This record gives sequence, C-alpha cells and structure tokens, in this order.
Amino acid sequence: AQKVTQAQTEISVVEKEDVTLDCVYETRDTTYYLFWYKQPPSGELVFLIRRNSFDEQNEISGRYSWNFQKSTSSFNFTITASQVVDSAVYFCALSEAYNNNDMRFGAGTRLTVKP
Amino acid sequence: DAGVTQSPTHLIKTRGQHVTLRCSPISGHKSVSWYQQVLGQGPQFIFQYYEKEERGRGNFPDRFSARQFPNYSSELNVNALLLGDSALYLCASSLAVGGAVLDTQYFGPGTRLTVL
Repeated sequence: AQKVTQAQTEISVVEKEDVTLDCVYETRDTTYYLFWYKQPPSGELVFLIRRNSFDEQNEISGRYSWNFQKSTSSFNFTITASQVVDSAVYFCALSEAYNNNDMRFGAGTRLTVKP
Repeated sequence: DAGVTQSPTHLIKTRGQHVTLRCSPISGHKSVSWYQQVLGQGPQFIFQYYEKEERGRGNFPDRFSARQFPNYSSELNVNALLLGDSALYLCASSLAVGGAVLDTQYFGPGTRLTVL
C-alpha cells in the first residue's frame, strides 16, 4: 500500500534562510503521482506542484524548488530565502495510477518563518 | 473564477446527530472528493465521485455517505455522530478529463465540524 512519510514535524527558520522539507514515499506501482500542498492557518489546501513518476526533472518556480529522486523514493521541497508568508503546514501526497481514487497524504511539516 | 466552495464554514453538533456538508466544485470540474482532516494530521480520503457515480471509498464506516448531483456539486452525510468525527472536512474538485480522475485536485476552505 502507498505511504508517505514526512519525518520533520516542525521546522523553524529565520527569514531569508533556505529550508528543505523532506518527503519519502512508498509504492509498489510503477506509475504514480506526487504532490505538494500548502495549508496556511486559514485551512485551505493550496496546490503547489504535481510530478509523475516518469518525470524526474527537478523543477524551480520562483523561490520554490523540488528535487525528485526515484532511487531514494524522495520528493523534497526547498524554499529559498524564506519569508514570513511561507509559514504554513506543508503536505506531501501520493496517488497511484491503479488506486488513483485514494490520494495519500503525509502527516505534514509545520514551517514557521520568524522575522 | 471561483474556487471550490463549501458550506457551512463551521458546525457544532452533539453525539448521535446527523450532519450534511455541501461542496460546489470549480466550474467545469466533474470530479469531487471528500477528505477528513483531524487536528495535527494529514487529510484522509473518504470518497470520490465522478459523473454522479462513486469512484472510490476510503476506510470509513457506513455512517459516512455522499452523493453528487447533476450540476457536479456534492453532499457528504454523516449519521450517528461520534466525538471522533470532529475534524476539518475538505472537499476537492478536479477536471477529470475523459474520466481521468487522477487530475490534480483543488481544495476548498473546508467545514470545521465539532461534535460535543
């Protein structure tokens, strides 16, 4: 069965520091999809990125970047030059192609960026 | 364009009561999924509907049920409420073009349910 582990429960950084959020996943499927969502205090999950298992290219979007490595089953998320507005809970999630109705989330990492 | 909307925002019920939560998907989205998020945990999948048919069900008791209407909006019903049902209930919609229900899901703000 699919599983997502976010080992970091909470991270606290000072503004302008870089921070990496770890995500390790388990799946028996060869075709799967990985996601990152941001949940600010308001509660709404905000979609950040989706990757499929066939595309291991890293991606950069502004201050955000993602490192997908199938060899280590990891999909890590880095925020460069963090800002106070980045403070939120970040979730990594996995969907399998043959069980695609069940998106499995990790427990989340609470990021606090202090001014 | 409006995002996913949910109502009500907050709800307080007592044990044994019944509750109905409502969700309107993003315009053009045909698939709706429901998730339960207990405080301090990640969301857990409850149901997915596509074209008014149930496409997936998570590990939740039969007290939980849902349906999708012709306009693609959806309701989640929970009977015989327990204290443990207290959670944030999130609705997500996706395009599901050609029935590909694995499309990226976009979430609403959630309904916070408190059971006393």
